[in-house]
Amino acid sequence: QITLKESGPALVKPTQTLTLTCTFSGFSFSSSGVAVGWIRQPPGKALDWLALIYWDEDKRYSPSLKTRLTITKDTSENQVVLTMTNVDPVDTATYYCALLRGSSWYFWGQGALVTVSS
Amino acid sequence: SYVLTQPPSVSVAPGQTARITCGGNKIGSKSVHWYQQRPGQAPVLVVYDDRSRPSGIPERFSGSNSANTATLIISRVAAGDEADYYCQVWDTDSDHPVFGAGTKLTVL
Repeated sequence: QITLKESGPALVKPTQTLTLTCTFSGFSFSSSGVAVGWIRQPPGKALDWLALIYWDEDKRYSPSLKTRLTITKDTSENQVVLTMTNVDPVDTATYYCALLRGSSWYFWGQGALVTVSS
Repeated sequence: SYVLTQPPSVSVAPGQTARITCGGNKIGSKSVHWYQQRPGQAPVLVVYDDRSRPSGIPERFSGSNSANTATLIISRVAAGDEADYYCQVWDTDSDHPVFGAGTKLTVL
């Protein structure tokens, strides 16, 4: 059974760095082709892809946010970490991690709501 | 960047068929995926690669894709199908995924 779960701070102050962790089970980065990504959704708005990382360390970032994002993985711990620098209230959103299969997001975590406010 | 266009809302009576469109330049040449998001819940993949269904998704959900329009088709719509639906493709030029803006399905 494949599961993913996001964790991180519920509240972050403007200009701070946000660190989110995705802990998963049921698959491993040791397997060729595995990729995990992050997607966010501001309240009442659409899904917005942020970043993804492949089993071989290849990475992709949203062009509009790439200067602020870093995605890494810990194969032994079955985790993917996303850091976002210099957060702003517009970064308030529910952040999801998901498993990429082919070109679709086949399994999703439950999401983590992050509020950026002073 | 590749742009996907969805109608903001679609309404349908119970038992009827709902069709939600997703427009894009030559989208027929891409694989289109559809997600259902009920209020307060995470998205769920309901159709992938234009017309395939993940395990556990009812046969009432199907898809088509041709030319510049992909369509999610939900037959025998029920109240439980009321949700936001998002289409998604892979933009091969920029090598990253792209989501549509979403369509709110209302069951009358």
